[in-house]
Order: sequence, then C-alpha cells, then structure tokens
Amino acid sequence: QVQLVESGGGVVQPGTSLKLSCAASGFTFSSYGMHWVRQAPGKGLEWVAVIWYDGSNKYHADSVKGRVTISRDNSKNTLYLQMNSLRAEDTAVYYCARDPRQQLAPYWYFDLWGRGTLVTVSS
Amino acid sequence: AIQLTQSPSSLSASVGDRVTITCRASQGIASALAWYQQKPGKAPNLLIYHASSLESGVPSRFSGSGSGTDFTLTISSLQPEDFATYYCQQFSGYPPTFGGGTKVEIK
Repeated sequence: QVQLVESGGGVVQPGTSLKLSCAASGFTFSSYGMHWVRQAPGKGLEWVAVIWYDGSNKYHADSVKGRVTISRDNSKNTLYLQMNSLRAEDTAVYYCARDPRQQLAPYWYFDLWGRGTLVTVSS
Repeated sequence: AIQLTQSPSSLSASVGDRVTITCRASQGIASALAWYQQKPGKAPNLLIYHASSLESGVPSRFSGSGSGTDFTLTISSLQPEDFATYYCQQFSGYPPTFGGGTKVEIK
C-alpha cells in the first residue's frame, strides 16, 4: 500500500525543539523528492521545505529558514523535519508530501500526502 | 513570491450543479498549476496538475483549464462527496504557493 505516515508531533513550549518523521511505504522512496507542507488551524496550506530524491539539495521557506531542517534516510525510507526555536506561529498540522518526479529535480507539486501530525507551540 | 487569488472564497451549490472555481496568479506561470481537494480533518488530494491533466483515479467530472495567469477548476455535476475545500497551487516560481481556498458547501 502506497502511503506516508507522519509522527512526532505534540505540544511543546516556545523556544524548544521537535523532530518530525515521515515513514514511506509501497513505493521506491529513494527515487522521489519529498516535501513538508503545513496548515495552521483553520488556515490554508503553506509549503515548508523540499529535499531532492538523493538528498543532494534542500530548500526551506523563508518563514522557517535557519530554524528548520529537512533531511532523509533512504535506507530507512524515512523523511525528517528538525524544528528548533519553535514559535507560536509554527502551530500547524505538518504534512509530508511526495513530489511526482522521479530521480530528477522536483516538479514542486504533490501527488501523495500523509495524514499529517499536529504541532502545537504554546506556553 | 507569486500570489494566487481564488474566487469565490466559498460557494453554496446543489448536487448536480456545475461548479466553477477560478485562480488568478500575480504573474504568468504558464501551465504550472495544480488543484487539490481537502475534506475536513483529511490531507489534501491532488486532482489536476499542469493546469489540465487529470490525476489518475480522479473522476472525470473534474476538469482544469487555463494558462498564464487565469485558471479554472470545473466540476461538471457536483456529487455529495465533492463538498470540500479546493486549493490551487503554482509550481512555476519559488517558493511554491497556494491559493486561499474555496469552500464548496451544500445549498
């Protein structure tokens, strides 16, 4: 079954860190670029970060740059998002999403999504 | 960043209605546009990519058109399972950006 399953969300205090994971199954994870997209409660969608299929390139949205790092372990079929210095405005459901292009630079749209994991930053 | 403006932000329609949602980009994006459907508490689901290509498994009542700055998502005959929020997304410029969403509600 082709799926993405996020984990690692929770309630954390401002200024702390959290690491999200996304386990992929049912497809050749190492062939696809991967993204994180977030959605604040009751709000729209915001792209967060992308990593190339082989990890050779990664980009982060300006809103998280310097605080958040995307990474992947192709041997474990897992995508990560390390989040540091968390702020209240980082409160959102975080989705991992697959880019449809294989073994090339990403297309930058999303053909497979996980169910998401909720991160709440509150004191 | 390229801004996407969706209209309307919400609409009420009946089963069987033809529904049209528009998405306008702040600058030309050729055909680099995708449409997603999101139901409450669920992840978005890709419907259309490259402005008019139907994603595999998506019913043919969904169609997309447009290029440059003006795009349209059409549902030819609204079904009960189509009541949801729809988002457009451009992937021409960096960063990829989404429209604000259109909520389709039952009349």
